[in-house]
Amino acid sequence: NAGVTQTPKFQVLKTGQSMTLQCAQDMNHNSMYWYRQDPGMGLRLIYYSASEGTTDKGEVPNGYNVSRLNKREFSLRLESAAPSQTSVYFCASSAWDNEQFFGPGTRLTVL
Amino acid sequence: QKEVEQNSGPLSVPEGAIASLNCTYSDRGSQSFFWYRQYSGKSPELIMSIYSNGDKEDGRFTAQLNKASQYVSLLIRDSQPSDSATYLCAVNIGSARQLTFGSGTQLTVLP
Repeated sequence: NAGVTQTPKFQVLKTGQSMTLQCAQDMNHNSMYWYRQDPGMGLRLIYYSASEGTTDKGEVPNGYNVSRLNKREFSLRLESAAPSQTSVYFCASSAWDNEQFFGPGTRLTVL
Repeated sequence: QKEVEQNSGPLSVPEGAIASLNCTYSDRGSQSFFWYRQYSGKSPELIMSIYSNGDKEDGRFTAQLNKASQYVSLLIRDSQPSDSATYLCAVNIGSARQLTFGSGTQLTVLP
């Protein structure tokens, strides 16, 4: 099992460009999450999907959109990137017990 | 007051010693508590979960939960240099499906 996979691993964008971060899990988990991690700020939840067909805002949703494509896949879209969105983005998934398992992350730089 | 607080550290212990990491949380209704280990440049890795008061042991790791005092701790016995990492405490605050992470404690185990 690959667990949680994310693409791309690295990305550099110019201000105003758009992009989609992809996440997939093969653990048959119902819930999936997107976090960002910034120095000194810890992990902050952007959006989550408790189950297929539902999405909810987390702590820092502004500037992002998500799509739960199916049970396996959960994508994060930046419509118009800003330098404040420079961060490391992690996708995670969990079963009913809330034990979240993380993907390897995407390092995004917005110039 | 932050919802999940950890000693920011850094914490240094000699090889073979016991490392003690502490975490306090604000929501008395929290039911799920987790410890993650994060090596520099890597994603968080789940090492312990605890759901009821008391101690839970797994190898060299012991998680301790005291809901009345709203704290959870992690003890690492016989610390090894490979334990050097940042340790993140995570607690479900509010919604059962969301975890709130502390900012982490950086641990260095000195050979």
